[in-house]
Amino acid sequence: GAGVSQSPSNKVTEKGKDVELRCDPISGHTALYWYRQSLGQGLEFLIYFQGNSAPDKSGLPSDRFSAERTGGSVSTLTIQRTQQEDSAVYLCASSSSGPGELFFGEGSRLTVL
Amino acid sequence: QQQVKQSPQSLIVQKGGISIINCAYENTAFDYFPWYQQFPGKGPALLIAIRPDVSEKKEGRFTISFNKSAKQFSLHIMDSQPGDSATYFCAARHLSGGYNKLIFGAGTRLAVHP
Repeated sequence: GAGVSQSPSNKVTEKGKDVELRCDPISGHTALYWYRQSLGQGLEFLIYFQGNSAPDKSGLPSDRFSAERTGGSVSTLTIQRTQQEDSAVYLCASSSSGPGELFFGEGSRLTVL
Repeated sequence: QQQVKQSPQSLIVQKGGISIINCAYENTAFDYFPWYQQFPGKGPALLIAIRPDVSEKKEGRFTISFNKSAKQFSLHIMDSQPGDSATYFCAARHLSGGYNKLIFGAGTRLAVHP
């Protein structure tokens, strides 16, 4: 596609449920990132994928969070046993392998009741 | 050392005025300093970026000033327009393992009043 695509755009769930957020990066981009943006806050790095290398998971806040990237393209961020503090906008970004800019999707807004 | 501190948190400017947003960092290993602009309901988009070997970069009404010794950089928006109203994030890249790990500031919400 023309840009980074994320789905769903909005997700409301109950505390304790699992959620999956999907990211479809720009075609040909080898790097993929997940960031979290809480209300009025900055962008918190969660995880990074680069090609076939092991992902950098250093930003994942707890073991309830996991992510995978299949076939070097689409990525899924999974949050298990959601908590209210997980409510945020989850942003995905992709970039080419060089030191270029990150292209962000419009985000998935997660609300945990 | 991984933090980027951004100020102010919010800013109100009259149309035609100058908007100034400041950022500071500690890690001297940062090698690339972009600014991202985010409109409501949208993802951030790259606005302008600078490397530490230059002190200033200008693109249209947007200028980055970079002070390497002070470990500070700022965004100046000249002749601010209502359409510039958005949230601005400074960032710094930590080149670790050869990839773009961008550390973002907390953001500045800019409102330009007509």
